Amino acid sequence: DQQVKQNSPSLSVQEGRISILNCDYTNSMFDYFLWYKKYPAEGPTFLISISSIKDKNEDGRFTVFLNKSAKHLSLHIVPSQPGDSAVYFCAASGKTSYDKVIFGPGTSLSVIP
Amino acid sequence: NAGVTQTPKFRVLKTGQSMTLLCAQDMNHEYMYWYRQDPGMGLRLIHYSVGEGTTAKGEVPDGYNVSRLKKQNFLLGLESAAPSQTSVYFCASSYEGQGAPNQPQHFGDGTRLSIL
Repeated sequence: DQQVKQNSPSLSVQEGRISILNCDYTNSMFDYFLWYKKYPAEGPTFLISISSIKDKNEDGRFTVFLNKSAKHLSLHIVPSQPGDSAVYFCAASGKTSYDKVIFGPGTSLSVIP
Repeated sequence: NAGVTQTPKFRVLKTGQSMTLLCAQDMNHEYMYWYRQDPGMGLRLIHYSVGEGTTAKGEVPDGYNVSRLKKQNFLLGLESAAPSQTSVYFCASSYEGQGAPNQPQHFGDGTRLSIL
C-alpha cells in the first residue's frame, strides 16, 4: 500500500502555461515533503521542499502548496519551459533525521514548445 | 565536483551470478543509501548507512548485502542474482539523515541491472 501517491503517471502542458503536479499521502505522521526532478539516464535532483508548519513555499518558477487536512500537496511550475520536461517525484518523511523518506511513483511532465 | 559516482552504469547478469555495485561520494556525507527504481513503484530503499562501519535495512533488503568500510564508499552486493532484481539502482548521500529538513539527498546517475 503506497503511502505517497501520484495518481497522474503523465502530464502534457504547453510552453508558457502552468504545470500542476499533484501528490497525496496517507501517513499523518509525515512532517516534511520534497519534490525531486529526474531526467532520463540521470539521478534525481532535489527541487523544492516544504515543512508541515507552512502551507506554501516558493522558489523562482516553482511553488509547492501543502494542504495537511486533505493530506495533499502540489507543485506548480509557472511558466513551464521545455527544459522542465522530466519525471517529478514527490517524497515525504517524518520529523527526525532517523525517519526515512518515502517516494511516490513519479509523474512524467512533457512541456510542448 | 563529481558528487556521487556509481559504477558500473550497466550490467547484465545470469541468474545465480553475484556482483557488487560501487558508490562513491566526495562530499564528506555521513549518510548513504541504496535505492531501486521499478516502473510504477517510485524509489524504494534497500539499505542505508548512518556512518562509516554502520549499515541498516531499508524497505526491501532481501537478497542484498551492503558494506561501508570507508566513509566515502558504499557497496551493494547481490550474492545470487534473481530476475526479480532487474531494476535501476540509485545510490544517494546526505549530510544529515533523510528526515532532517533542508538536507536533501544527492543521487548518482544509476546502474541499470538486468538479470537473465
